[in-house]
Amino acid sequence: AQTVTQSQPEMSVQEAETVTLSCTYDTSESDYYLFWYKQPPSRQMILVIRQEAYKQQNATENRFSVNFQKAAKSFSLKISDSQLGDAAMYFCAYRQEYGNKLVFGAGTILRVKS
Amino acid sequence: GAGVSQTPSNKVTEKGKYVELRCDPISGHTALYWYRQSLGQGPEFLIYFQGTGAADDSGLPNDRFFAVRPEGSVSTLKIQRTERGDSAVYLCASSPQGGETQYFGPGTRLLVL
Repeated sequence: AQTVTQSQPEMSVQEAETVTLSCTYDTSESDYYLFWYKQPPSRQMILVIRQEAYKQQNATENRFSVNFQKAAKSFSLKISDSQLGDAAMYFCAYRQEYGNKLVFGAGTILRVKS
Repeated sequence: GAGVSQTPSNKVTEKGKYVELRCDPISGHTALYWYRQSLGQGPEFLIYFQGTGAADDSGLPNDRFFAVRPEGSVSTLKIQRTERGDSAVYLCASSPQGGETQYFGPGTRLLVL
């Protein structure tokens, strides 16, 4: 069974600075999808970024980028120019290529200091 | 267009009671998912619908939990004889056919006293 591990229960970053959230996963599959979701106190899970395992190029979405290391089964999220609105719980998630369910990590709370 | 909606937003019930949680997916999305998120944890998969049928219900914890999607749109998660351990946020998500990304609703927070 696939597992996702987020080893940082909590992280802090100063406004306008950069922070990296870690995620590792375990799978025997070669093709799959990885996601980062953001969950603010409103509970709404919001997609931040998505990576297809067959793509070598790291995904980017504005201030958000990933460092995808397939051999190491690592998928970290970098947030540049952090903003107060980035404060939330961040979840890393895995999905098999032909699967359906998402497997989530335990989450990392990100605090942004002004 | 409207996102995924879930009702009620919060539900308080007593141990042993029956509850129904409703999910209204994004219009046109054929796939619908239910997850349960306990306090301080990531969401855990419960059940997946493709159209009207439950394609994967491997995450349902026991036979007290049941879900339906009779017309391939709205889904209802039903919990019988609720227990205090059922207290959690129940999240619903939908995706278009063949889509990899799941879009989540705001969840229903269930508290069993």
